[in-house]
Amino acid sequence: DAGVIQSPRHEVTEMGQEVTLRCKPISGHNSLFWYRQTMMRGLELLIYFNNNVPIDDSGMPEDRFSAKMPNASFSTLKIQPSEPRDSAVYFCASSLPSGAFYEQYFGPGTRLTVT
Amino acid sequence: EDKVVQSPLSLVVHEGDTVTLNCSYEVTNFRSLLWYKQEKKAPTFLFMLTSSGIEKKSGRLSSILDKKELFSILNITATQTGDSAVYLCAVGNTDKLIFGTGTRLQVFP
Repeated sequence: DAGVIQSPRHEVTEMGQEVTLRCKPISGHNSLFWYRQTMMRGLELLIYFNNNVPIDDSGMPEDRFSAKMPNASFSTLKIQPSEPRDSAVYFCASSLPSGAFYEQYFGPGTRLTVT
Repeated sequence: EDKVVQSPLSLVVHEGDTVTLNCSYEVTNFRSLLWYKQEKKAPTFLFMLTSSGIEKKSGRLSSILDKKELFSILNITATQTGDSAVYLCAVGNTDKLIFGTGTRLQVFP
């Protein structure tokens, strides 16, 4: 089992540029989560999908952030335009369906630096 | 507002010591409490607890949940340098996991 796959692993960009983070969940997992982790705020849930449908995006900081899940095996998190305060590690996680948002499997993360 | 609070924020011990990490919560529609270990990369799953008073063990690690008092503890006995990590507590309700900010454990030889 390949686990949750994220790309890129590191991203350095300039303020104002568009950033796209990608995630492939574990096959058979119907729930997908995007988190952001910083030293100051810890691990924060941004948005999650169940069966490709966004369920709760209340954690998305502002309109500059958007997420899509066009099919069961792929999701993107986009930041446009990016700002220095967006610098963080972004994790994608997946879990089994049926309301079992319990044991989530995390990808390796994307470390984003916005200069 | 749902919240999960962990204590202490950080802990420094020597190899062989026993440590206890605490997690208290106020979460609506509680379903489970999970512990994760995070070293330099992604969090990895340790335990999931759903019932009060039933201890879960894995080697030198153990955890127990008290649903009446709304807390859990994670014990690590005979600590080793490889136990150095951030330990995250998360509470699952019907919708999602709510994470605490973690306890940073450093174990020195």
